[in-house]
Amino acid sequence: QSALTQPASVSGSPGQSITISCTGTSSDVGGYNSVSWYQQHPGKAPKLMIYDVTNRPSGVSSRFSGSKSGNTASLTISGLQAEDEADYYCSSYSTSITPHVIFGGGTKLTVL
Amino acid sequence: QMHLQESGPGLVRPSETLSLSCTVSGGSISTNNYYWGWVRQPPGKGLEWIGSIHHSGGTAYNPSLKSRVTISVDTSKNQLSLRLSSVTAADTAVYHCASPVSRGAYHYWGQGTLVTVSS
Repeated sequence: QSALTQPASVSGSPGQSITISCTGTSSDVGGYNSVSWYQQHPGKAPKLMIYDVTNRPSGVSSRFSGSKSGNTASLTISGLQAEDEADYYCSSYSTSITPHVIFGGGTKLTVL
Repeated sequence: QMHLQESGPGLVRPSETLSLSCTVSGGSISTNNYYWGWVRQPPGKGLEWIGSIHHSGGTAYNPSLKSRVTISVDTSKNQLSLRLSSVTAADTAVYHCASPVSRGAYHYWGQGTLVTVSS
């Protein structure tokens, strides 16, 4: 199965807002409210930032928010900070072929 | 806070079977009603979901790996296990286990263990 589609890179200046998209199909992103977003710094394990499209785990900054429209989910980071520079991955529950989880290819966020 | 720790050989020969364990502390596999996951990341590449397991033993696997993967759980030891057979160099990756907070969403992750497939 193909990975969810994310832009390879995005960038923004401190204080600005950026949005990362994650496009799938009606068998995954569009069909279920089971989209998650992860932040990964080099050499570290992924960190869950958003789950079930819009929910933030305890301890995650409110500057991070998630949304979904049709087959595309989005992660918005407001008030960009230097420490937000990282790789970001989306994932979704999928029922294409058999029930499973699928990840996006990842987006490198650069804070200018 | 929950802690997960992967363990197993760091080097596996081609065509052999990769075997890893994941020990969970600070929480019980049995009291979480979602599926615990295994995720891998080849060097310099993105995340790939391998599969997941419920404490009752129910499993779900990545369709592209299904023929080679077996995930099991030992609730008495609070451990997960991963076996991947007939490995090749393409299976070289950092392997993580992760605890679920919702369907397909993983909150706590192990630090990961690098497994290299090489003769």
